[in-house]
Amino acid sequence: AQSVTQPDIHITVSEGASLELRCNYSYGATPYLFWYVQSPGQGLQLLLKYFSGDTLVQGIKGFEAEFKRSQSSFNLRKPSVHWSDAAEYFCAVGVNTGNQFYFGTGTSLTVIP
Amino acid sequence: NAGVTQTPKFQVLKTGQSMTLQCAQDMNHEYMSWYRQDPGMGLRLIHYSVGAGITDQGEVPNGYNVSRSTTEDFPLRLLSAAPSQTSVYFCASSYSLKDIGNTEAFFGQGTRLTVV
Repeated sequence: AQSVTQPDIHITVSEGASLELRCNYSYGATPYLFWYVQSPGQGLQLLLKYFSGDTLVQGIKGFEAEFKRSQSSFNLRKPSVHWSDAAEYFCAVGVNTGNQFYFGTGTSLTVIP
Repeated sequence: NAGVTQTPKFQVLKTGQSMTLQCAQDMNHEYMSWYRQDPGMGLRLIHYSVGAGITDQGEVPNGYNVSRSTTEDFPLRLLSAAPSQTSVYFCASSYSLKDIGNTEAFFGQGTRLTVV
C-alpha cells in the first residue's frame, strides 16, 4: 500500500538558517511527488512537484527538493528561511494506478527571529 | 478562473443534523476529492470521483455521501452529524494522473465544521 511519512512533527529554525524537511514514501512504482504548504486558516498551495527527469526540482519561494530513489525520499530544502515561511508543510505522493493523492501527516515549521 | 470554491467556510451543527458541503471547480478537471484534516493526522481521503457519474470511497468514508452529476460540482453530504466529524474539510481537483501525469491537486480554502 502507498504511504507517506514525515518523521518530524514540528521543527523550529532561526530566520536565515537553512531548512530541510524530511519525507519518505512507500510505493511500488516511480511515484509522482509533491510538497504543499499551508498557512494558518488557508488551503494548500503547491510548492513543487516531481514527475520524471532531473531529481533536483526547484519550486516557488526559493524551495527545492531532491528525489532519491534508493532512499525512497523526497526531502524539501531551503538555504535561508524567512519568517514568512512559518507554516505547515505536507509531502504527498500521486498514484496513477488509483488516480489518488496520499498525504503525510505534515511538519509544522516555526521560525524564530 | 476561480479555481476550487468551497462553501460554507464555517459551520456549526448539532448532533444528528444533516448538511451538504459544496465544492465547485472551473478548471474542467476530471478528478475531484474530499479530505478531512485533523491535528496530527494530515489529510485523509473521504471520497473521490474520476468523472461525472463515478465516485468511490477513500480511507474514511463512513458517515459521508457524495455524488458527481456534473464535471464542475462534487458535494459532500453528512447524513447524521456526529462530534467525531468535527474537522476541517478540503475539496481538491486535478487532471487525471493516469492520463496527464504532470498535474497537481488544487485545493479549496476549506470548511471548518464543528459538531456539538
